[in-house]
Amino acid sequence: GAVVSQHPSWVICKSGTSVKIECRSLDFQATTMFWYRQFPKQSLMLMATSNEGSKATYEQGVEKDKFLINHASLTLSTLTVTSAHPEDSSFYICSALWRLQETQYFGPGTRLLVL
Amino acid sequence: AQTVTQSQPEMSVQEAETVTLSCTYDTSESDYYLFWYKQPPSRQMILVIRQEAYKQQNATENRFSVNFQKAAKSFSLKISDSQLGDAAMYFCAYRSSSSGGGADGLTFGKGTHLIIQP
Repeated sequence: GAVVSQHPSWVICKSGTSVKIECRSLDFQATTMFWYRQFPKQSLMLMATSNEGSKATYEQGVEKDKFLINHASLTLSTLTVTSAHPEDSSFYICSALWRLQETQYFGPGTRLLVL
Repeated sequence: AQTVTQSQPEMSVQEAETVTLSCTYDTSESDYYLFWYKQPPSRQMILVIRQEAYKQQNATENRFSVNFQKAAKSFSLKISDSQLGDAAMYFCAYRSSSSGGGADGLTFGKGTHLIIQP
């Protein structure tokens, strides 16, 4: 299967700081990537769709000024959690859509803990 | 909006036996994709199997197969010869075939925790 990397895997930060998470498709080009959030013992919830060269599309209830998404190349999308607060602590997972297979492949996820 | 329902929060099976995980979904679309993903304790989401709605033939990947009933909107996963490494959370997911922002995102069920008993 296709490989998607995500960095960092773990981040602990103080309340009020910003955190950037990178998602890379390593062996295919992805014009579309996605960002999900997963709380403990729950399912994945789609936060936003990241399109290369255009603005991201956010799901209802997701603050676009809080979760900044940039998809500057065909292999890289970034999620920046701005002015993070403890309630932003969660597991964030990205995926990249491989159009040839119409299938999303997932990164290993980032555990964010805001103190 | 589409919804995906997994009615079994937890399933247990003896090693080498067969187990079936249930999934139903609700949609008004005629063309879409369905997936099963596995999430082990590492939390890495791993694709198990995919099915295009326009294909009548059920998808198969080695020990994993699906029973896709489009009229009933049912998409169950059968795992044959269960192995210890199959222990994980299994998520059923739906994706519209429509292009455009948001339409490509996956809608997940709540998951089924599969326990393999040695």
